[in-house]
Amino acid sequence: AQSVTQPDIHITVSEGASLELRCNYSYGATPYLFWYVQSPGQGLQLLLKYFSGDTLVQGIKGFEAEFKRSQSSFNLRKPSVHWSDAAEYFCAVTSGNTPLVFGKGTRLSVIA
Amino acid sequence: NAGVTQTPKFQVLKTGQSMTLQCAQDMNHNSMYWYRQDPGMGLRLIYYSASEGTTDKGEVPNGYNVSRLNKREFSLRLESAAPSQTSVYFCASTATDTQYFGPGTRLTVL
Repeated sequence: AQSVTQPDIHITVSEGASLELRCNYSYGATPYLFWYVQSPGQGLQLLLKYFSGDTLVQGIKGFEAEFKRSQSSFNLRKPSVHWSDAAEYFCAVTSGNTPLVFGKGTRLSVIA
Repeated sequence: NAGVTQTPKFQVLKTGQSMTLQCAQDMNHNSMYWYRQDPGMGLRLIYYSASEGTTDKGEVPNGYNVSRLNKREFSLRLESAAPSQTSVYFCASTATDTQYFGPGTRLTVL
């Protein structure tokens, strides 16, 4: 069965610092991988996705993620965090014709 | 193009009451989903509908029923609400592989 692990429940970073959110997945075949962001009281917004090809994918709001098959990872990065990036971030996986399986999320706090 | 819409936005029920959460999408998507979100649990799939006329159970279907009324609409019904169903409910739809989410319904069962 597919599963997603986000090891960090809560991360705090200073504004302007770099960010990396970790995501590990368990899936037998080539996965389709996603990162979503949820601001307080809002729905989920797609940040980026990986299906195939270049393992470094660019998303909205200056985010990028790198697919590493050998490590079963799809970590999300941003070079310089802004206060507006404070939110909850979810990693998700699917085979393409099955429903998404989500990780439990990582809450990001940004301090001045 | 409104995307995925959900009604109501907020609801308070007493234990044992019933209600239906409505979801509609205007993107002509085939598949639709209902999730619940609880603190520290991420999103868990309740039911989904891969196409009009079909529905399947997800990870946490107990206490819920669904109806895929047509291609646009997918409703979630709680027949006898329980406090354990206090949660935020999200509807989503997808054409092939990317899910788009509604704004959510915050449900409290007293």
